[in-house]
Amino acid sequence: DAGVIQSPRHEVTEMGQEVTLRCKPISGHDYLFWYRQTMMRGLELLIYFNNNVPIDDSGMPEDRFSAKMPNASFSTLKIQPSEPRDSAVYFCASSPQYNQPQHFGDGTRLSIL
Amino acid sequence: AQSVSQHNHHVILSEAASLELGCNYSYGGTVNLFWYVQYPGQHLQLLLKYFSGDPLVKGIKGFEAEFIKSKFSFNLRKPSVQWSDTAEYFCAVTRDYNQGGKLIFGQGTELSVKP
Repeated sequence: DAGVIQSPRHEVTEMGQEVTLRCKPISGHDYLFWYRQTMMRGLELLIYFNNNVPIDDSGMPEDRFSAKMPNASFSTLKIQPSEPRDSAVYFCASSPQYNQPQHFGDGTRLSIL
Repeated sequence: AQSVSQHNHHVILSEAASLELGCNYSYGGTVNLFWYVQYPGQHLQLLLKYFSGDPLVKGIKGFEAEFIKSKFSFNLRKPSVQWSDTAEYFCAVTRDYNQGGKLIFGQGTELSVKP
């Protein structure tokens, strides 16, 4: 079975540029989660969706971050404008129900110069 | 504040040593508990989970965890570690859907196993 697919795997860009991270959840999973992982703050939940609807975005750091899920098989996390402190690994995960184990993608390693 | 706490940030063991990683949470009521593992450069993978029933749960690769409700704990154990267990381990908790439902992770414990 195909797992959660994220792209790109690595992104290096200059500050001020727009960054778009992409995620394809496992088919049939109704929940999709975006996480950010850094050495300083560990693993943080940014936002999650249920049936394409954002449920909790309280973890989104600021207005520069936005996430969408236009359909059940695709989600994006966008940072505009990007800043060096946004450098992190961003993981997408999906699960069939909110309390079922989450399946994680390989992550996007983002470096903002 | 409601949280998940992992007591050890970094644990160093020799092969064949026994492992116990602590995890405590501060939520009351019904919880679901998980341990995830992240091998170097890889994504998180589920080790084991507890939803209900026998508080001693067994996961993959010889890991087990015990849920002690009175202590709000869900410690991870393995009798004899291997070099390949070197990874970061995360405890996580979800609550009832109407209390938020999202997965809250601990800070993680980095395990280094010396050959």
